Amino acid sequence: DSGVTQTPKHLITATGQRVTLRCSPRSGDLSVYWYQQSLDQGLQFLIQYYNGEERAKGNILERFSAQQFPDLHSELNLSSLELGDSALYFCASSFGVSGNTIYFGEGSWLTVV
Amino acid sequence: EDQVTQSPEALRLQEGESSSLNCSYTVSGLRGLFWYRQDPGKGPEFLFTLYSAGEEKEKERLKATLTKKESFLHITAPKPEDSATYLCAVQASQGGSEKLVFGKGTKLTVNP
Repeated sequence: DSGVTQTPKHLITATGQRVTLRCSPRSGDLSVYWYQQSLDQGLQFLIQYYNGEERAKGNILERFSAQQFPDLHSELNLSSLELGDSALYFCASSFGVSGNTIYFGEGSWLTVV
Repeated sequence: EDQVTQSPEALRLQEGESSSLNCSYTVSGLRGLFWYRQDPGKGPEFLFTLYSAGEEKEKERLKATLTKKESFLHITAPKPEDSATYLCAVQASQGGSEKLVFGKGTKLTVNP
């Protein structure tokens, strides 16, 4: 158990809908990362927050947004969902200083039908 | 652009047959190279971090090494429970971000 908690574990929704994925980082960690993993793309970095502020952005679509709250939990919002958004979404956390190990949660399976 | 290439894509071994997985990388300002193990449908599980060329780390049957251009994950006398996808990732110094750039992984199957 990495200590990173993600909910829900599984989610099935229709095209055009909006979903929110939730992440609680490990105790003491200030950074939260979101990654997307699909069969053909591998693990793709989406976005990083550090202590409530956006730190880095990767290949995140405009339809997707994220935030980190004062209690350090984070949410990833996915809207206007398309079939191609079906993937495993991982949250990860680290203490935040360069070189720190990044620990991953178990992921949220999103299926768009 | 930071890039990570892992080879082979898939590897089948017999129990007890040692081998190595390769991770080659191009990155500006390497802060660390990470190895993770991922089981199907699960999150990546941290194995090792290597920070500088020449560094080695070991854990049970696994040993990771790092040069200036590549890293190797050596598996000695593997067991079926070592079957998983092994992911390599680099962490670069880029505006203070600690994001990891992952390779596509090597799927290891160890047959009894």
